[in-house]
Amino acid sequence: QVQLAESGGGVVQPGASLRLSCAASGFDFSRYGMHWVRQAPGKGLEWLAVIWYDGSNKNYADSVKGRFTISRDNSKNTLYLQMNSLRAEDTAVYFCASVYQPGATFLGSWGQGTLVTVSS
Amino acid sequence: DIQMTQSPSTLSASVGDRVNISCRASQTISSWLAWYQQRPGKAPNLLIYKASYLESGVPSRFSASGSGTEFTLTINSLQPDDFATYYCQQYSTNSYTFGPGTKLEI
Repeated sequence: QVQLAESGGGVVQPGASLRLSCAASGFDFSRYGMHWVRQAPGKGLEWLAVIWYDGSNKNYADSVKGRFTISRDNSKNTLYLQMNSLRAEDTAVYFCASVYQPGATFLGSWGQGTLVTVSS
Repeated sequence: DIQMTQSPSTLSASVGDRVNISCRASQTISSWLAWYQQRPGKAPNLLIYKASYLESGVPSRFSASGSGTEFTLTINSLQPDDFATYYCQQYSTNSYTFGPGTKLEI
């Protein structure tokens, strides 16, 4: 079955950078588009970014465009989110999610999330 | 960008009740809508895709309808496990906006 495991979260100061990873297993990662979504404490879900199965296309929410970069290494079955110039409002649990099936665009399976806290 | 709204923001109900949750898009999204359930401290789970298609393994008391800009999630005969927060999400464009969520509470 699909398993997604995020890592790389932690406490960082404003202005710092952080890279999140999402290790995928149980499915053919190289055929699935992948998303990042976050959830600030006590708030709703915010979609952040999507990357096509082969990395050929990426899209971002306006709130993170220019600061966050989504990427993937299909040889390592791993998705990444490079986060730069972090702000207090980026404090959230960050989830990775796979699309439902190859060719689909909506989110099917989710990881359990990793917490990022931006604080001085 | 397409904006999504949900109503109500909070819904109080009892076990055995039938409830409806509404989701509205700021412009037409055809049937490109999904519904997710999230329990506290957990990742969201897919319930419905393409506006009305029930995900495998999701109980049949869940159903959904709608197209264009107006969508509804219906839960029949509420069970204790159903008290959670529900989100709609559009995937009509490459900006996959979520609704703000509806908290279903006892």
